[in-house]
Amino acid sequence: SAVISQKPSRDICQRGTSLTIQCQVDSQVTMMFWYRQQPGQSLTLIATANQGSEATYESGFVIDKFPISRPNLTFSTLTVSNMSPEDSSIYLCSARGAGDTQYFGPGTRLTVL
Amino acid sequence: DQQVKQNSPSLSVQEGRISILNCDYTNSMFDYFLWYKKYPAEGPTFLISISSIKDKNEDGRFTVFLNKSAKHLSLHIVPSQPGDSAVYFCAAILLQGAQKLVFGQGTRLTINP
Repeated sequence: SAVISQKPSRDICQRGTSLTIQCQVDSQVTMMFWYRQQPGQSLTLIATANQGSEATYESGFVIDKFPISRPNLTFSTLTVSNMSPEDSSIYLCSARGAGDTQYFGPGTRLTVL
Repeated sequence: DQQVKQNSPSLSVQEGRISILNCDYTNSMFDYFLWYKKYPAEGPTFLISISSIKDKNEDGRFTVFLNKSAKHLSLHIVPSQPGDSAVYFCAAILLQGAQKLVFGQGTRLTINP
């Protein structure tokens, strides 16, 4: 299994600012993902973080709003840019290693005022 | 288009009895299914998975059943314990191609003493 940590665990931000969330995996993984869970909703995939190349975004998510980096096989960042209250959500990092099981980090709870 | 559906938003079970959580899917090409458990303010925790070539997988108190012809899977928890109270998500994945997890909406399980 993969152990995933995220920083920060929570934050309260002002409208118009940006927040970068860090994700660290304890082992090299082939795939890393970023999800969002809005209150009372299921998990929605934002993008697949590709090592050494641009992330692959899902419909409704764009790079300008959610830039993603993945400089190596164990680390990724997600930035939530120009935040609005609608961005208040839990942001989750996820990773899949050699097997088919996908693991999740503890999440970052973001509140935008 | 909701490819993975959990039609019961909530379920209440008495401690010691069996909890059965259900999940339906529409894409017959899914070849791997996972169940996650999520407590508030935490990331999803992987519980158990099943490959599409199997019809049952068991791990301790947790058993997952897959009925491919009905495009239905279920998670059985027996005996249910108070610590099992959480939101349960089923997820499906196409291992070929983009390999993205598709989640159901979740079922909130409450175990009553």
